[in-house]
Amino acid sequence: DAGVIQSPRHEVTEMGQEVTLRCKPISGHNSLFWYRQTMMRGLELLIYFNNNVPIDDSGMPEDRFSAKMPNASFSTLKIQPSEPRDSAVYFCASSLGGGPTDTQYFGPGTRLTVL
Amino acid sequence: DAKTTQPPSMDCAEGRAANLPCNHSTISGNEYVYWYRQIHSQGPQYIIHGLKNNETNEMASLIITEDRKSSTLILPHATLRDTAVYYCIVRGSEKLVFGKGMKLTVNP
Repeated sequence: DAGVIQSPRHEVTEMGQEVTLRCKPISGHNSLFWYRQTMMRGLELLIYFNNNVPIDDSGMPEDRFSAKMPNASFSTLKIQPSEPRDSAVYFCASSLGGGPTDTQYFGPGTRLTVL
Repeated sequence: DAKTTQPPSMDCAEGRAANLPCNHSTISGNEYVYWYRQIHSQGPQYIIHGLKNNETNEMASLIITEDRKSSTLILPHATLRDTAVYYCIVRGSEKLVFGKGMKLTVNP
């Protein structure tokens, strides 16, 4: 079975440009999570969806970040405009449900570099 | 969610059992203990989770003390590919809150 799919795997862009990261969750999973990992802050949850509806976006750093889930098989995380401090690895994860016993499965991540 | 405490690093010889400790003294009755690992910038990989009983799967065993204030992840026969950062997480909701984890290095 295919796991969580993320694209692109690597993205290099210049400050001020718009960046769109993509995620395809595991088929049949109803919850989707976006995380960011940096050396300074470690792995932190940005936002999560349940049944395509954003449930908690308290981890989104600022208005430059936005996330959508137009259907059960696709989600995007957009940064506009991007800044060098956004450089990080962004992970997407999905789970069958949204409860504490629903295991989250992570994708391979997108390494973003903003120059 | 309750916080966890792990040693920053540990070494283990290849082929030996690796016992990874975790303290979670403030865990609540409805919170689960989860273990994930991350191998060199790959996505975190689920290992195992439990509530109060010991658990075993094809990857590892999880031993939770009777008072639930600490647990141990056991990799029965560590290999070089088990070198990774291991995260012990106490989870009471849909969220996973990652700490700094513990770097396990398996040596030949």
